[in-house]
Amino acid sequence: GQQVMQIPQYQHVQEGEDFTTYCNSSTTLSNIQWYKQRPGGHPVFLIQLVKSGEVKKQKRLTFQFGEAKKNSSLHITATQTTDVGTYFCAGRNDYKLSFGAGTTVTVRA
Amino acid sequence: DGGITQSPKYLFRKEGQNVTLSCEQNLNHDAMYWYRQDPGQGLRLIYYSQIVNDFQKGDIAEGYSVSREKKESFPLTVTSAQKNPTAFYLCASSISGGPGEQYFGPGTRLTVT
Repeated sequence: GQQVMQIPQYQHVQEGEDFTTYCNSSTTLSNIQWYKQRPGGHPVFLIQLVKSGEVKKQKRLTFQFGEAKKNSSLHITATQTTDVGTYFCAGRNDYKLSFGAGTTVTVRA
Repeated sequence: DGGITQSPKYLFRKEGQNVTLSCEQNLNHDAMYWYRQDPGQGLRLIYYSQIVNDFQKGDIAEGYSVSREKKESFPLTVTSAQKNPTAFYLCASSISGGPGEQYFGPGTRLTVT
């Protein structure tokens, strides 16, 4: 079945620095979604990418969908303490979403 | 307020007992999902339902059962056959059966001893 892998599992970032988390699928995806889960909370939808090579921005967050639609990335610039949490990518598989294991982000002030 | 409610937030049970987790949504969404989350792992799909009176097994359905008698409700029963039931359970819904944006409830943390 479809597998979605995310790296790194943990990301420790100095406040103000940039970082990127990556998502790779074993199969071609029809779309990919990103979610954020704050500590003790539940996943909240961030964005959906559908087109090959698509790039979308949300303030300091930049999301990219690969040309082959098998990988995606999330880049955060000028990390803030509010960015703390776990970021999940999820690839569509028929009527289901397959979630990656997530990248857990901690920020050093 | 529109949203998804799950109750209770924390649930404790003795081994060998069945337990039912509640999930209610007032978003008028057709599709509903149950996920299990364990530390360091992503969300794993237990069951999903695209329409009332219909549901399908997800990737880890063994030891679980569901019903979908009403559009707004999708309860999950964790049976005594589930070998490792202690986990964080998340319910979600989406507008249609095709997985667009999913809205998640606050989750139920189940501990079985």
